[in-house]
Amino acid sequence: EIVLTQSPATLSLSPGERATLSCRASQSVSSYLAWFQQRPGQAPRLLIYDASNRATGVPARFSGSGSGTDFTLTIDSLEPEDFAVYYCHQRSNWPLTFGGGTKVEIK
Amino acid sequence: EVQLVESGGDLVQPGGSLRLSCVASGFMFTDYSMNWVRQAPGKGLEWVSYISSSSANIFFGDSVKGRFIISRDNAKNSLYLQMTSLRAEDTAVYYCVRVSRATGTMDYWGQGTLVTVSS
Repeated sequence: EIVLTQSPATLSLSPGERATLSCRASQSVSSYLAWFQQRPGQAPRLLIYDASNRATGVPARFSGSGSGTDFTLTIDSLEPEDFAVYYCHQRSNWPLTFGGGTKVEIK
Repeated sequence: EVQLVESGGDLVQPGGSLRLSCVASGFMFTDYSMNWVRQAPGKGLEWVSYISSSSANIFFGDSVKGRFIISRDNAKNSLYLQMTSLRAEDTAVYYCVRVSRATGTMDYWGQGTLVTVSS
């Protein structure tokens, strides 16, 4: 099973700041990595697929990078609605797995 | 508009069974693979099961293998999860999730249905 480790667990930032979230895989997942956003009480929402592609309707302030085992989600200039939990997810190997999540909270 | 509506969540005793349903609309259900993903209260996401569009390929996570069955009825635009031998650790919100044909990634999620396993 591919283990995805997200860091940090919590990120405390102010609106307008940049957020940098990390996801490390226990073995290569090539570029088969996605990022999801989950706001309280809501279902997850796809942000980024295949490491660096924004999903339909996702604002340009969200960007993804990386390949192999190290991936980054960057949120430029945080908006109030961006304070949420973010999960990475790999579809390279069965079983599909998710990272433990990074909570982006208001400082 | 893509919609996925889950139902069937309930309070069930340990060792019991439950069947979840997900009705899809707004897209050609028969053309899409589907997943069930769950989230225990206050915890992260855990993939449960996958079924291909024709039901030819099915996979399960280790924690539910041998206890859960995934199925679909394309004529009814419906996805199912039959859960047996339920344990306290199966308590979670269960999401029905579509797999994008273009990208192979989970793209649309339902709002979830809560399963509580407790005596």
